[in-house]
Amino acid sequence: QLQLQESGPGLVRPSETLSLTCTVSGGSISDYVYYWGWFRQPPGKGLEWIGSVYHSGTTYYNPSLNSRVTISLDTSKNQFSLRLKSVTAADTAMYYCARPSTLGMTEWGQGNLVTVSS
Amino acid sequence: DIQMTQSPSSVSASVGDTVTITCRASQGIARWVAWYQQKPGTVPKLLVFATSNLQTGVPSRFSGSGSGTNFSLTISSLQPEDFATYFCQQSNRFPALTFGGGTKVGIK
Repeated sequence: QLQLQESGPGLVRPSETLSLTCTVSGGSISDYVYYWGWFRQPPGKGLEWIGSVYHSGTTYYNPSLNSRVTISLDTSKNQFSLRLKSVTAADTAMYYCARPSTLGMTEWGQGNLVTVSS
Repeated sequence: DIQMTQSPSSVSASVGDTVTITCRASQGIARWVAWYQQKPGTVPKLLVFATSNLQTGVPSRFSGSGSGTNFSLTISSLQPEDFATYFCQQSNRFPALTFGGGTKVGIK
């Protein structure tokens, strides 16, 4: 069974770049015809899709974040990563990686709380 | 973008009650709706996919229905472990995904 785990800093300064990595275990991300995605949830609020990357490396982003987001695959490390530039306090959230599909998501990381503050 | 309007935002209920949560899509999304349950400090748990299909291991008191733009999740005979927040999610234009705002089911 696939397992996902986020890693990265818990505090990012305003205007800087948020960088998170999701490590996948229990299988190779390049062996599956899957998408891999990033989501976030501000404290006490709902979920937001940030973007996804296909196993081929093709990326898809939420239009509301498109200009600031980059998602990439590192098949040698079995990881995929998120970079969100020019962060503000509004980007403070729990960030999750997951394996999305048209039939919902059953595989999530545990989440990485990121606070944007000086 | 497809918007998902979820209601109510919160509901108070007692053990044994039936609770229905609805989601309305801003345009037709066929049957591409999933429902999740989330308890504080935990990741969302998939309950229902493709409108009405129960995920393995989910109790039969949960049921989903709908099509087009109107969808609902019904919890029959509410149990203590069902007090949580519920989200709908559409995948009609996968890989783009959008979620409803959430419904908190609290104890009356």
